[in-house]
Amino acid sequence: ETGVTQSPTHLIKTRGQQVTLRCSSQSGHNTVSWYQQALGQGPQFIFQYYREEENGRGNFPPRFSGLQFPNYSSELNVNALELDDSALYLCASRPGPGNSSDEQFFGPGTRLTVL
Amino acid sequence: GESVGLHLPTLSVQEGDNSIINCAYSNSASDYFIWYKQESGKGPQFIIDIRSNMDKRQGQRVTVLLNKTVKHLSLQIAATQPGDSAVYFCAENLGDSWGKLQFGAGTQVVVTP
Repeated sequence: ETGVTQSPTHLIKTRGQQVTLRCSSQSGHNTVSWYQQALGQGPQFIFQYYREEENGRGNFPPRFSGLQFPNYSSELNVNALELDDSALYLCASRPGPGNSSDEQFFGPGTRLTVL
Repeated sequence: GESVGLHLPTLSVQEGDNSIINCAYSNSASDYFIWYKQESGKGPQFIIDIRSNMDKRQGQRVTVLLNKTVKHLSLQIAATQPGDSAVYFCAENLGDSWGKLQFGAGTQVVVTP
């Protein structure tokens, strides 16, 4: 186990609804990234948070937003859900800059199904 | 109907044989590469990484080879075991030191007895 936890494990929503996914980073890790993994594909980078600020964003629309809290846990919010948002959402944590290791640790993911 | 995106390349390997998984990366500026293993229902698990100033790195039963000239990465698994059955992804750093990664499409490895 990596020490990165995500909740919920599974979630079913309907088109147009909003969803919030949660991630607790590994102890001591202040940088959290979110990825979307569609079935049968590799993860796609959504955005990254460092010390509560967004630190880079992939090619995702503004209805994908996030937060990071002082304890470094993070939320991913998706508004106006579309069918194509159905995917496994992964959270990864790592130490911040200046650390000798670049290794990222992934959580088990949240499986979102949009009907 | 057919589901989009389920046609991962598959490598079938007999238990005890060596496996070689290949990956082409896209960004010449990438300076850090990682191989991940993903088992069904789990998040990606770090296997081994390599920086662009190296062309080979070895771990326990695994070796990563990097050919920057042709932008090619490979993962070799020695003496493949049933527990090695999973999807394997290569990932490249998206051009900075913050660990934003771009993943390849993945290869399904099936180990047969």
